[in-house]
This record gives sequence, C-alpha cells and structure tokens, in this order.
Amino acid sequence: SYELTQPPSVSVSPGQTARITCSGDALPKQYAYWYQQKPGQAPVLVICQDTERPSGIPERFSGSSSGTTVTLTISGVQAEDEADYYCQSSDSSGTYVVFGGGTKLTVL
Amino acid sequence: QVQLQESGPGLVKPSETLSLTCSVSGGSISSYYWSWIRQPPGKGLDWIGYIFYSGSTNYNPSLKSRVTISVDTSKNQFSLKLTSVTAADTAVYYCARQTRYSSGWYFDLWGRGTLVTVSS
Repeated sequence: SYELTQPPSVSVSPGQTARITCSGDALPKQYAYWYQQKPGQAPVLVICQDTERPSGIPERFSGSSSGTTVTLTISGVQAEDEADYYCQSSDSSGTYVVFGGGTKLTVL
Repeated sequence: QVQLQESGPGLVKPSETLSLTCSVSGGSISSYYWSWIRQPPGKGLDWIGYIFYSGSTNYNPSLKSRVTISVDTSKNQFSLKLTSVTAADTAVYYCARQTRYSSGWYFDLWGRGTLVTVSS
C-alpha cells in the first residue's frame, strides 16, 4: 500500500525556521496537503495543493514541492505553532487517501 | 457556517459493532463527499472511507471487509458501522468533508471527534 514518510520530530527555537518534509512516490502526480493538530483538537488544514495557504492561515506557513518530497516551512516559529503536523495526499490513481505518520514540532 | 458533530456510544465490547453518526448543520449534505477518519491514542490519522451524498462509497482496503458508511439526506446525516471490533479499533473517530481537487482529495472541514473505546 502507498505510504507517506515524515520525520517523527522536529525541534526549533522561537523565531527560527522549521521545515518538515514528507516523501512519497506519487507526490509528483498528486497534490499534498498539510494539517496542524494541537492536543485534544481536530486537525486544521494549513497548506493545500502543495503551496497554497487557506484563508485565515498566517503567512509564516508555506509549502513547497520537489520531486517525491514536499516540505512545510514555518518561518519565525512561535510558541503557538507547537503541534503535530500531518501531510496527506492520494495514491497515484486518486482512489485512496493516505496520511503521513505525523511530525511533532517542538518549540524549544 | 457548516459544522459537523459526531455522536454514538463511547464504549463498545470486543466482537461487537461500532456505530457512529455525523450530523451536518449549517448547510446541506448534498453535492459533497463525506468521510470518516480515526486516530488511535497517541498515533496518527487513518482514513476509513467516504460516501457521496448519492450513496456511492469508497473504503480503505485495510478496513473494507468490516466497514459500511451510509447517508441519510433527509436527516442531513451520515453514519459509520465497523463490525467485529477489537482493542485495536480504540480511537478518536472524526467525521470530515472530503473534497476533490484535480485527481486527488483533501479534507476542508472536520468534526471535533469522539473517542470510542473497545473493552469488555
């Protein structure tokens, strides 16, 4: 079955830049989406179609894509950005949905 | 604005059937795809499947033999049934709106989630 691979954890100091990667063979064909999930809350969409920011999401959140890897970048990280981040995409045929394993972002 | 709310038993016995309902308020269930996603405690998100308002469905192959998702447009609700549950099915279950873009999918609206524990 198709899988998306994320690092389990990323740590940064406030004000620095955090980068979270997600790798998958179908990513050149399928868009990736990023969700932020804080403890006890439902996920929130922060990046769609690889690079687009939904309404209401701060400008410090951005996305990029290169080959089989997509990256979520958070510039000028704030304490409130500490959360789990999940990438999500579809298999190459667009039939099934898949989530990455999630990355815990710690703000030191 | 459109809101989703999950409801159902929080405790299910092993080998029995888990049943949940998602109520859609503030908008119509028609013309959209609706999904169930679960998250075991301390673990990641796992897509269960979706239903279109017309009734067509698609399920995660890993759960397909045990899952049924149905829709009741008159009540603006859709439901999940998962049979023969075990402790591994203990999770927070989310309902969500699944949206098609290009040839893929994403989730633009989520319920708050409901914890279902499988235990005798």
